[in-house]
Amino acid sequence: EPEVTQTPSHQVTQMGQEVILRCVPISNHLYFYWYRQILGQKVEFLVSFYNNEISEKSEIFDDQFSVERPDGSNFTLKIRSTKLEDSAMYFCASSPIPGNAQHFGDGTRLSIL
Amino acid sequence: GENVEQHPSTLSVQEGDSAVIKCTYSDSASNYFPWYKQELGKRPQLIIDIRSNVGEKKDQRIAVTLNKTAKHFSLHITETQPEDSAVYFCAPFSGGGADGLTFGKGTHLIIQP
Repeated sequence: EPEVTQTPSHQVTQMGQEVILRCVPISNHLYFYWYRQILGQKVEFLVSFYNNEISEKSEIFDDQFSVERPDGSNFTLKIRSTKLEDSAMYFCASSPIPGNAQHFGDGTRLSIL
Repeated sequence: GENVEQHPSTLSVQEGDSAVIKCTYSDSASNYFPWYKQELGKRPQLIIDIRSNVGEKKDQRIAVTLNKTAKHFSLHITETQPEDSAVYFCAPFSGGGADGLTFGKGTHLIIQP
């Protein structure tokens, strides 16, 4: 069964630095998503991406964040000037269309020191 | 936006008994209702979903029921096993230009041997 893959599995970064989290969505899916989960809390929607542009973003997704599809397979989340509160698990997901099953990757654990 | 409530927050049942988790939502336009299972340190995994034109769906020991009038849907697990221990999230999808799933706060299901 095809899967969403994410790299790295764990990222440790100094506060104020920039990080890039990478995802390879399922190949025939058209919609891509980033979610965040702070330890012990619920999963929170950050952004959706379709046809090479942002389709929807939440209040969490401010100017510190950006997404990109640099090539035909990768989907990235960039966090600039990281803060301690950015420490969380970041999940990438993909689906054929909204309102269809969203399949999640294994996540990247981001630790800001 | 969608308001999602899940009950109970923790559920402890004896192995072999049934478990029921309820999710209430606010947006009457919601039309897709998935349940995700998340084991400790792992990704949310879609276990069952239902669409608004169906009242019930079953997959082996797992079932989902939907009451659109009352705006709630429930996850039913029968003959519980130790491997069912996890956190379960509902994530109703409201559409209408919103792509992301709105997750509930989760229910920690504990299966007592």
